[in-house]
Amino acid sequence: EVQLVESGGGLVQPGRSLKLSCAASGFTFSNYYMAWVRQAPKKGLEWVATISTSGSRTYYPDSVKGRFTISRDNAKSSLYLQMNSLKSEDTATYYCARHRAMGMEFDYWGQGVMVTVSS
Amino acid sequence: DVQMTQSLSYLAASPGESVSISCKASKSISNYLAWYQQKPGEAYKLLIYSGSTLQSGTPSRFSGSGSGTDFTLTIRSLEPEDFGLYYCQQYYEKPLTFGSGTKLEIK
Repeated sequence: EVQLVESGGGLVQPGRSLKLSCAASGFTFSNYYMAWVRQAPKKGLEWVATISTSGSRTYYPDSVKGRFTISRDNAKSSLYLQMNSLKSEDTATYYCARHRAMGMEFDYWGQGVMVTVSS
Repeated sequence: DVQMTQSLSYLAASPGESVSISCKASKSISNYLAWYQQKPGEAYKLLIYSGSTLQSGTPSRFSGSGSGTDFTLTIRSLEPEDFGLYYCQQYYEKPLTFGSGTKLEIK
């Protein structure tokens, strides 16, 4: 059974940093592109980052480019999101998601972890 | 960026009825369109990809149609477990973008 379990969320002040982790199990992690998707309170979904199987290629929307860094450790079946220079508008539930093989859709999602950026 | 519009934010229906949820893209996205379902306390679930291909495990009462800019998710003979939130997503180009969601509630 595919499982994605996020951790590392919490309350952080504006301008500070936070690192999220996602522990994957139930599939060969190194074979799949992985991603982070977020959802602000009472808002829709926003794609945050994608990383290739080896980690050599990463993709971001303009809203987080230069501030967020996605990475992975295939030996540990783990995905990470380093978030720097956090803003109040980054407050959201962050989901770890697996890209479907050969596609950019998301075929498995974690339950999400809440990040609150506030002074 | 490709804007995805789900014109109905809320839809009420009764078990046994059929419903359709629409999604419109701001430019042609071919069939690079996915549909997701979210129920309270559960993870998001991929229902349909490539506009009309059912993901493994998606009940056959779900169907997707459309290409280009206009897409529809249809649920025939609603079951109680079908009520929840539905989102569309385009993956024709980055940034990947989602619709604003349609909440399907029991009438």
